[in-house]
Amino acid sequence: IAGITQAPTSQILAAGRRMTLRCTQDMRHNAMYWYRQDLGLGLRLIHYSNTAGTTGKGEVPDGYSVSRANTDDFPLTLASAVPSQTSVYFCASSDSWGSGELFFGEGSRLTVL
Amino acid sequence: GQSLEQPSEVTAVEGAIVQINCTYQTSGFYGLSWYQQHDGGAPTFLSYNALDGLEETGRFSSFLSRSDSYGYLLLQELQMKDSASYFCAVNRDYKLSFGAGTTVTVRA
Repeated sequence: IAGITQAPTSQILAAGRRMTLRCTQDMRHNAMYWYRQDLGLGLRLIHYSNTAGTTGKGEVPDGYSVSRANTDDFPLTLASAVPSQTSVYFCASSDSWGSGELFFGEGSRLTVL
Repeated sequence: GQSLEQPSEVTAVEGAIVQINCTYQTSGFYGLSWYQQHDGGAPTFLSYNALDGLEETGRFSSFLSRSDSYGYLLLQELQMKDSASYFCAVNRDYKLSFGAGTTVTVRA
């Protein structure tokens, strides 16, 4: 089934450790996004990429980095995890930059202790 | 911070109609989207309004008034499977900013 694949599904991590959340899409979408979801706060944009080779900062980028080496992959890295980064992380894509229709992955639940 | 306002919870019975309102700030506004999310799963796209008016997709309709900075999602003929969280999202500067979500509970 075409769509977005995220890995890992769930992870418990010690504070200070480095972690990369993986995201791959097979829809050949140009734009990709990373959101975090916390109870009562909805989805907040961390970083985005409007096309391969370019990235930008969203609403809550501190402590996170991304890369977009090709169309399909958009990994999110936490260089040194902190407990406030405990959240559910969703990767999304859209066929064009600025589209109101995003396709989401199933999410990665991250717990930082 | 949040620049979208939507109710936190709505409860209704099967067969009823529910309207979820969403108000937003207008700077850099391009359109309003609606998403459904079941039990923390992947959010799924429902509708997008770039222009004023009503968009209908089956039992769900979405409305936008740009002059009032206001939109709503209308859920008709409610079914148990419609119990979920619903998010409005503003397309601002080509990026989507989400509201905190409305939890809809459908009772038999």
